[in-house]
Parts: sequence; C-alpha cells; structure tokens
Amino acid sequence: AIQLTQSPSSLSASVGDRVTITCRASQDIRSDLGWYQQKPGRAPKLLIYAASSLQSDVPSRFSGSGSGTDFTLTISSLQPEDFATYYCLQDYSYPQAFGQGTKVELK
Amino acid sequence: QVQLVQSGAEVKKPGASVKVSCKASGYSFTSYYIHWVRQAPGQGLEWMGIINPAGGSTSYAQKLQGRVTVTRDRSTNTVYMELSRLVSEDTGVYYCAKGSKTPDYWGQGTLVTVSS
Repeated sequence: AIQLTQSPSSLSASVGDRVTITCRASQDIRSDLGWYQQKPGRAPKLLIYAASSLQSDVPSRFSGSGSGTDFTLTISSLQPEDFATYYCLQDYSYPQAFGQGTKVELK
Repeated sequence: QVQLVQSGAEVKKPGASVKVSCKASGYSFTSYYIHWVRQAPGQGLEWMGIINPAGGSTSYAQKLQGRVTVTRDRSTNTVYMELSRLVSEDTGVYYCAKGSKTPDYWGQGTLVTVSS
C-alpha cells in the first residue's frame, strides 16, 4: 500500500506568513493527490485536487504543486481562519491513504 | 445542493457490530463513489473503504478487511458502513464522503463509542 509522509507535523506561524507543507509518497502517484483542511469538530474541507487544481470557492492564497512522489501545499499569506490541521490524500490507487496531518498554530 | 446526511451517534460494547448510514441527495447517486473515513479522538484521518453505487463494487483498507462491509440501497440513495467485532480502538467519528477520485462533499460525521 502507498504511504504518505507529511512534514512538518506541526508549525507555528503568524498572520501574513507564507506557509509550506510537504507530502511525500512512498511511490510514484503521478498527480493523484489532494489537500484538505480540518478544523476541530468539523468534517475535512477539500482545498486542492489533482495536486494543483483549486477547488471551487477556495481562496487563491492556497496553492498546490508537485508530481510523482513530492508535493507541496502553500498558503501565500496566512489568515486567521487558516489555523487548522491539513492533510494530504493519495487517490492514485486503492487503498487510498492520508498523510498524518500538519497542525498550523498561531505563533 | 449536495447533501450527505449520516445517522446518529452510537454506543456499542466490545465485540458488537455497528451500522452507519449515509443518505445522499442533490446529485446523481450512481455517478459518484462514496468513501468512508474515520478519525479516532485527537488522531488523524484514516481511509476505510469505498463503494461504487452504480454496480456495488467495493474496496477496503487492508487493516479492516474482514471486519468492514459497505453496501448501498439505490432505491433510497443510501450507503451503509458496517463494522463488526468492535474494539475500543474503533471509537471515533466516522465520515462518508462523495467523490470518484478525491472526495469533495462530506457528511457531518457519526460518533461511534465502543465501551464496556
């Protein structure tokens, strides 16, 4: 089964900071990767699909890049509502799998 | 609008089974797969399995093979996830989500508590 490794597991940042989260797959998954944001007590929200496509109604400060085994989620200017946990998901093959998550906290 | 409405919270004893439902509306039920994802308290997301509502084919996480069964009822646009031989580590929130690749719309979640 394909495994995803996210880094860092947590980070502290300030409003306005540029934030980068990485996700590494254990084998080539082409561009079959999505990114989610989850806030406490809420269902995950899809931000990015197919590695770099922005889901509708998601602010343009979120962007995704990468292909093969290395992927990146970037928040260009962190906003107060962006403090949350972020997960990557590979949908290249079954079983699908999530990364372990990255918690973005206020510095 | 797309909606996935899940059944209510459950409390089960170890060794029992639980069946969670997910009723879909606002889109063509047979056009998109339904995923099941769970989250233990304070932990990350775990992909459990998927069903194609059109033909009923399924795929499951290896860890849950033999304990999880996902079915669908096309007459009511409802998908069911049954987990058997429950243990305390199965406690958590269970989500259904729509999407044939990357799940986009999610249900509200169902809390399953396993306790003696």
